[in-house]
Amino acid sequence: SYELTQPPSVSVSPGQTASITCSGDKLGDKYACWYQQKPGQSPVLVIYQDTNRPSGIPERFSGSNSGNTATLTISGTQAMDEADYYCQAWDSSTVVFGGGTKLTVL
Amino acid sequence: QVQLQESGPGLVKPSQTLSLTCTVSGGSISSNNYYWSWIRQPAGKGLEWIGRIYTSGSTNYNPSLKSRVTISIDTSKNQFSLKLSSVTAADTAVYYCARAAYGGQNYYYYYMDVWGKGTTVTVSS
Repeated sequence: SYELTQPPSVSVSPGQTASITCSGDKLGDKYACWYQQKPGQSPVLVIYQDTNRPSGIPERFSGSNSGNTATLTISGTQAMDEADYYCQAWDSSTVVFGGGTKLTVL
Repeated sequence: QVQLQESGPGLVKPSQTLSLTCTVSGGSISSNNYYWSWIRQPAGKGLEWIGRIYTSGSTNYNPSLKSRVTISIDTSKNQFSLKLSSVTAADTAVYYCARAAYGGQNYYYYYMDVWGKGTTVTVSS
């Protein structure tokens, strides 16, 4: 079965750029999306179709996908961005989630 | 604005069947533009996709759960439902329902753009 691998944790200082990676075999040949989940809340879609931001998502969130890696980039990271982030793709008629990355802003 | 709300028992006994319903408001579940999905998340762990259903009733399931899962849709009530049989403690989780956009020509995209608040289901005697 297809697998997506994320680093368990990423740390970033406020105002700096955070990059969260998601790796999978030929992931660049699929569409990736990203969800943000804060404690006790439902996931929120922040990037879809590799690079697109839903309405209401700040411009500091961006995405890319090439080769075997999709990347979520948060520019000018704010304290409110501290959360778990999950990548997701579609493979063989199933949804595949990455294991999630805890972003710490310190 | 579309909203989704999960409902169902919060406690299920081992070996019994977990049954949840997702009620869609602010939009029609019969739309051709979306699938309707179930996802779960054990406490402190990641997201696990359970399956999806289209307005026609067509379904896809996570292979790891396929033998125990049934997802159905009731367009007259604007609801879709989840049944998970033979539950064990490992099925204890927050269960979410979500709307999913899909499509694409060269590559297929599928992403969940509206989520319910989730409902906690505990499997215990």
